[in-house]
Amino acid sequence: DAGVIQSPRHEVTEMGQEVTLRCKPISGHDYLFWYRQTMMRGLELLIYFNNNVPIDDSGMPEDRFSAKMPNASFSTLKIQPSEPRDSAVYFCASSLVSGLGEQYFGPGTRLTVT
Amino acid sequence: GENVEQHPSTLSVQEGDSAVIKCTYSDSASNYFPWYKQELGKRPQLIIDIRSNVGEKKDQRIAVTLNKTAKHFSLHITETQPEDSAVYFCAASKGGSYIPTFGRGTSLIVHP
Repeated sequence: DAGVIQSPRHEVTEMGQEVTLRCKPISGHDYLFWYRQTMMRGLELLIYFNNNVPIDDSGMPEDRFSAKMPNASFSTLKIQPSEPRDSAVYFCASSLVSGLGEQYFGPGTRLTVT
Repeated sequence: GENVEQHPSTLSVQEGDSAVIKCTYSDSASNYFPWYKQELGKRPQLIIDIRSNVGEKKDQRIAVTLNKTAKHFSLHITETQPEDSAVYFCAASKGGSYIPTFGRGTSLIVHP
């Protein structure tokens, strides 16, 4: 398996623009997580899905953030409109409910909003 | 919910020294404790884990210890090398159907 795949790897956009981050989890994994990492706040869990259903989005910072998982192999995290304080590395991770809880992270998307 | 505290936030050692990172957790039902290593610009990756039915686990130069009574666990790295420089995260989980809670991370710097 290729592991968790994320795209794009880098995104630079202007304030006010819409940003869409994409993730393909490991095949067969039934949990998918979106994290945001910054120096100030560390690794923050934004939202997670179980079998494509959003379970907990309490970490989503504002209504400008939304996430979807239309099928088992694809998820998106959208920011609209983007702001400079959204600049961070966004990681997607997946895991197995039948496992111990170990998470497999994607390479991340480095987002810069100017 | 679970709360995981991790210390220190930064650790600087000389090559060849040992390094110890400590974590405490609050939920006595947690039974799985992974450690992740994140090199600069890379993704966090699982390096070692321990389940609650054992007190210690070793893998070459790294080891984890668990004290369930005190609700704390530690990562030990012996004979540190510059390539050990990274951010290390601990986590606590109650199993696959539960979401792990991560510590804030420890930045380990190994000076040649």
